[in-house]
Amino acid sequence: EAAVTQSPRSKVAVTGGKVTLSCHQTNNHDYMYWYRQDTGHGLRLIHYSYVADSTEKGDIPDGYKASRPSQENFSLILELASLSQTAVYFCASRAGTGNSDYTFGSGTRLLVI
Amino acid sequence: GDSVTQKQGQVTLSEDDFLFINCTYSTTTYPTLLWYVQYPGQGPQLLLKVTTANNKGISRGFEATYDKGTTSFHLQKASVQESDSAVYFCALPPGNRIFFGDGTQLVVKP
Repeated sequence: EAAVTQSPRSKVAVTGGKVTLSCHQTNNHDYMYWYRQDTGHGLRLIHYSYVADSTEKGDIPDGYKASRPSQENFSLILELASLSQTAVYFCASRAGTGNSDYTFGSGTRLLVI
Repeated sequence: GDSVTQKQGQVTLSEDDFLFINCTYSTTTYPTLLWYVQYPGQGPQLLLKVTTANNKGISRGFEATYDKGTTSFHLQKASVQESDSAVYFCALPPGNRIFFGDGTQLVVKP
């Protein structure tokens, strides 16, 4: 079954530390996305990618980097984690231009202390 | 620019009540409009897609339509069940990205 798998499911990080969130998809989709969800709010786009070795900035890229080493894998990197980055992070994939069917992972709950 | 607005933060109903959630949208393109549902501990799942104004999308007892004249779209269900308790998001997917509303927390009491 096609899927988007995120790891870890939850993480506690210290302020100023480096955090890497990983995402793996078996959908054979071109597009991958990282979203952030804060309590009581919708999802906001951090970074996305439509091809391996290339990433694009979303609406809230500051403080985050992304890496797409292969079609299947997409990582989100917080070089210097801050308290304000405590949130739930979702990865998603989508087949291609004109296709509005996004498949989301189950999320990574990040707590920065 | 493209955006969606969803103002109902929480809706509390009893089983068999009627559900109505409304969103408004802004876009320069001819829209496909989406409704996602998110259960606790899970990512959003696509519930409904409406690709043409005034046409209905129907899934799992939910219906969605949108009105191009008022740039609004809504989700409804005739009789909710406790298992429908979740967060519902309207979404607009122009081009290579998707814009989400803030979500409506639906609580259905038995």
